[in-house]
Amino acid sequence: DGGITQSPKYLFRKEGQNVTLSCEQNLNHDAMYWYRQDPGQGLRLIYYSQIVNDFQKGDIAEGYSVSREKKESFPLTVTSAQKNPTAFYLCASTWSYNSPLHFGNGTRLTVT
Amino acid sequence: AQSVTQPDIHITVSEGASLELRCNYSYGATPYLFWYVQSPGQGLQLLLKYFSGDTLVQGIKGFEAEFKRSQSSFNLRKPSVHWSDAAEYFCAVGANRASGTYKYIFGTGTRLKVLA
Repeated sequence: DGGITQSPKYLFRKEGQNVTLSCEQNLNHDAMYWYRQDPGQGLRLIYYSQIVNDFQKGDIAEGYSVSREKKESFPLTVTSAQKNPTAFYLCASTWSYNSPLHFGNGTRLTVT
Repeated sequence: AQSVTQPDIHITVSEGASLELRCNYSYGATPYLFWYVQSPGQGLQLLLKYFSGDTLVQGIKGFEAEFKRSQSSFNLRKPSVHWSDAAEYFCAVGANRASGTYKYIFGTGTRLKVLA
């Protein structure tokens, strides 16, 4: 079955370390997205990519980086510059700008 | 600027009662509108979508939503709530290609509690 796989489900890191969250999709979608979710704040867009080798900053890109070397993969790196990295991270993808987003099951990152 | 407002942070209803979750949007053109549901620790699942045409759209799990352009609203309804409907619900506006943006804007969510 097609879908989006985020791994790992839980991730623990020490402050000052970079960490990379994986997102893979086999839906053949062109566009992929990373959202951060904090209680009471909904989903906030970190980065998105409409096509391979191209991506744009979202509303809260500071302290994060991404790459899009393959259509099916869109990894997110949380760098040590991100001041408050502990959150639930959601990856999503879609066919085009007016289609629904399909979501992965998320990665909960805890930084201590 | 595009925005989505869900004015109710928490809603509690009894099982079997009807449900309406409110969503208001701000958008410069005909919007693409979505409702998603999220169980704790999970991703978001699409309930229904509105692109054009009939203003009353049917979704999965017995949900429906009505698009009212004059009120800039897209409220989600269910005639009879089941205990399994307890979750968080998000309204979203789709990306606007005309403006060059491919962003989806989400509301802050409404957490639904169902009393037995």
